Amino acid sequence: GAVVSQHPSWVICKSGTSVKIECRSLDFQATTMFWYRQFPKQSLMLMATSNEGSKATYEQGVEKDKFLINHASLTLSTLTVTSAHPEDSSFYICSAGILALGNEQFFGPGTRLTVL
Amino acid sequence: AQKITQTQPGMFVQEKEAVTLDCTYDTSDPSYGLFWYKQPSSGEMIFLIYQGSYDQQNATEGRYSLNFQKARKSANLVISASQLGDSAMYFCAMRGLNTGNQFYFGTGTSLTVIP
Repeated sequence: GAVVSQHPSWVICKSGTSVKIECRSLDFQATTMFWYRQFPKQSLMLMATSNEGSKATYEQGVEKDKFLINHASLTLSTLTVTSAHPEDSSFYICSAGILALGNEQFFGPGTRLTVL
Repeated sequence: AQKITQTQPGMFVQEKEAVTLDCTYDTSDPSYGLFWYKQPSSGEMIFLIYQGSYDQQNATEGRYSLNFQKARKSANLVISASQLGDSAMYFCAMRGLNTGNQFYFGTGTSLTVIP
């Protein structure tokens, strides 16, 4: 099956620093990847859609200058949380899928970010 | 607009019994897919089962089956012979023909299997 990896799996940083999270599709090419944010005991909230070679599409209410997304290749998308604050502490999950209606999205294992 | 509703925030089931997790949806897309994912405490999202809107038969995958009632816009997940390892959050999701690859998730149901 298709595998999506995320790195790091967890990160603790000081307030004001920037954190980069990588999402890789290991055995398939993903023209589109998605970034989600999940608070404890809540559902996944889509933050942005990352398209290879073009700008990401952000959901309403998501600050594009704070959450920088780069999809430089068909197997790698990165999310950078800039000037992180404690309220940015959350579980960040990426996913990738093959372009067909019946195909599920394959999720990365997630990155737990804690901002002190 | 797409909307997924899961009305059961928490469910309990006795080990070896069956349990049904509810999911209703709303969409204007003529063609769509419905998915169920399991999220254990580790956080990973595990794909369980898929149902296409034009599929004539209900989907089944091992102990998982999807009770698809198109007219009622419901796609309930049935887990048979529950196991302790089934304790997790379960999310219903939908993807529509006109929304590309974007998934819409329900709020989830926390399932606890009691020994």
